[in-house]
Amino acid sequence: SFELTQPPSVSVSPGQTAKITCSGDALTKQYVYWCQQKPGQAPVLVMYKDNQRPSEIPERFSGSTSGTIVTLTISGVLPEDEADYYCQSADNSGTYPVFGGGTKLTIL
Amino acid sequence: QVQLVESGGGLVKPGGSLRLTCAASGFTLSDYYMSWVRQAPGKGLEWLSYISSGSNQINYAGSVRGRFTISRDNAKNSLYLQMNSLRAEDTGLYYCARNYRDSNLYIDYWGQGILVTVSS
Repeated sequence: SFELTQPPSVSVSPGQTAKITCSGDALTKQYVYWCQQKPGQAPVLVMYKDNQRPSEIPERFSGSTSGTIVTLTISGVLPEDEADYYCQSADNSGTYPVFGGGTKLTIL
Repeated sequence: QVQLVESGGGLVKPGGSLRLTCAASGFTLSDYYMSWVRQAPGKGLEWLSYISSGSNQINYAGSVRGRFTISRDNAKNSLYLQMNSLRAEDTGLYYCARNYRDSNLYIDYWGQGILVTVSS
């Protein structure tokens, strides 16, 4: 089965830059989408097609790729960015969607 | 704006059945693939199933294949998930989700979720 690997947690201070990675063998062929989930809330899309930001998402959110690793970067983090972040992609054949295990972003 | 509202959840005994419904509004349902995703208590997201706009392409995760059935009624702006032979490990929050345009794989909007509890 295809898996996506994320760090369980990332901690940064307000104003710093947070980087959350998502790795998987198929990521050279498949896009990665990122969603943000705050406690008790539904997920919200924050990045699509690796590095495309929905219009309602702040510019401090950006995405990048390097081989089999895709990175969500939040520049100048704010306390409101504290949340769980999940990457989503698919297997090599594009048949089965899969989520990463999620990364808890803590603002110190 | 896009709205997805789930209903039909609740408490069910192991081996029992439930049917979830998702009411969609704010977009043309017949233009999109749709999906179901669940989240066990304190755990991450798990994709369960997707269905194409015309219901001719359907896929399931191995954990639910043969027990769950996804369907849709575009005329009623509704998506469904029939869940049979429920197990304790099916307990969780079930999300209805809209797929990104023309994609069977990627999700761009989520409902608020509905709780399913499987317990004796």
